[in-house]
Amino acid sequence: DTGVSQNPRHKITKRGQNVTFRCDPISEHNRLYWYRQTLGQGPEFLTYFQNEAQLEKSRLLSDRFSAERPKGSFSTLEIQRTEQGDSAMYLCASSLAYLEQYFGPGTRLTVT
Amino acid sequence: DQQVKQNSPSLSVQEGRISILNCDYTNSMFDYFLWYKKYPAEGPTFLISISSIKDKNEDGRFTVFLNKSAKHLSLHIVPSQPGDSAVYFCAATRGWNNDMRFGAGTRLTVKP
Repeated sequence: DTGVSQNPRHKITKRGQNVTFRCDPISEHNRLYWYRQTLGQGPEFLTYFQNEAQLEKSRLLSDRFSAERPKGSFSTLEIQRTEQGDSAMYLCASSLAYLEQYFGPGTRLTVT
Repeated sequence: DQQVKQNSPSLSVQEGRISILNCDYTNSMFDYFLWYKKYPAEGPTFLISISSIKDKNEDGRFTVFLNKSAKHLSLHIVPSQPGDSAVYFCAATRGWNNDMRFGAGTRLTVKP
């Protein structure tokens, strides 16, 4: 399968802990996006990369959130000092510039 | 702020009939609009898009209509099939493939 993959698929953590998610995009795609989706809502844009450069960040992305894409391949999204409000589905998508985005299955985060 | 709105959380239609999903937006700067379909436990899948310079785009059973003056778009599925049962998200963007703003989704159920 050569689609977008995300790991882990599920993560349960206690409030205050740090978590890190990984996204592996489709190999030839130079753009990578992170979204957050809460119950009953559509995905909300968090940030995106073109190759290794992080070009845009949403104001939703507080200082506790950081994303990286070393070497322009896979990406990681880290949340420090998790809060219950961080519980959501975190979606990754990739694309070739100017074409539609392909989404991964998401990582469901539960903060207890 | 909710710049893209899908006011119908659910829609039920009979197999073979037409499904019409609606979407409204508030930001006149949006110039590309997309529809995504989402099955449970999967990420959203791109369905069809339309540029603001057009008022209609068709792909097989799926047609998207754009009314810029009303800031309204709709997705028509004809004929509807049980496999079309999913959550449909409307999305809009300024400039192709910048951050997308999604609606909350409409759950379509096609009954055999």
